[in-house]
Amino acid sequence: AQKVTQAQTEISVVEKEDVTLDCVYETRDTTYYLFWYKQPPSGELVFLIRRNSFDEQNEISGRYSWNFQKSTSSFNFTITASQVVDSAVYFCALSVFMDSNYQLIWGAGTKLIIKP
Amino acid sequence: EPEVTQTPSHQVTQMGQEVILRCVPISNHLYFYWYRQILGQKVEFLVSFYNNEISEKSEIFDDQFSVERPDGSNFTLKIRSTKLEDSAMYFCASSEGVGKQETQYFGPGTRLLVL
Repeated sequence: AQKVTQAQTEISVVEKEDVTLDCVYETRDTTYYLFWYKQPPSGELVFLIRRNSFDEQNEISGRYSWNFQKSTSSFNFTITASQVVDSAVYFCALSVFMDSNYQLIWGAGTKLIIKP
Repeated sequence: EPEVTQTPSHQVTQMGQEVILRCVPISNHLYFYWYRQILGQKVEFLVSFYNNEISEKSEIFDDQFSVERPDGSNFTLKIRSTKLEDSAMYFCASSEGVGKQETQYFGPGTRLLVL
């Protein structure tokens, strides 16, 4: 079965704190892709990162970093020195090839609240 | 930077009415998708479309739903007879061809409210 679990429903931190959003996935496929999307209060889905299953290098982009660990089937997302503008719902998603094309399987999302 | 666009941004309709949600995918993309997100819930896959036909659809995508690519740029989702439970945000997405189809880029969404 293909599944994405984001166990943290909501996280609230004070501005400038670091925060890590957890994502655990399940798949039997050897080739798959992992994504993080941000959904701000305005509602759109903003693509943040894509990772393929063969690349376990961690990635850093400014204050954002991602830790991909195949051994624990996790793809966690850390925001360093959080800012109020980071407040949003963050979705982790798994893309696997099914039948004739890739499909995205979504986690339930983690609502991140950054307090000033 | 190219982006997926959707119109309208908001739509209010009466139960039983037909609605058409419009999307313009990124121009060189070949795969198109519709998703919906009921308020406060996770994003749900509805349908994928490639080469002018549906390639996958979920259980949600019943006979009340249809998709069409009427010309070279638009990709539409039609709901024939809306129900209260169709109220949701509807997202269109598109992805490139072979080798990059796994990365989907999303439009800003259409918020549909059925009264």
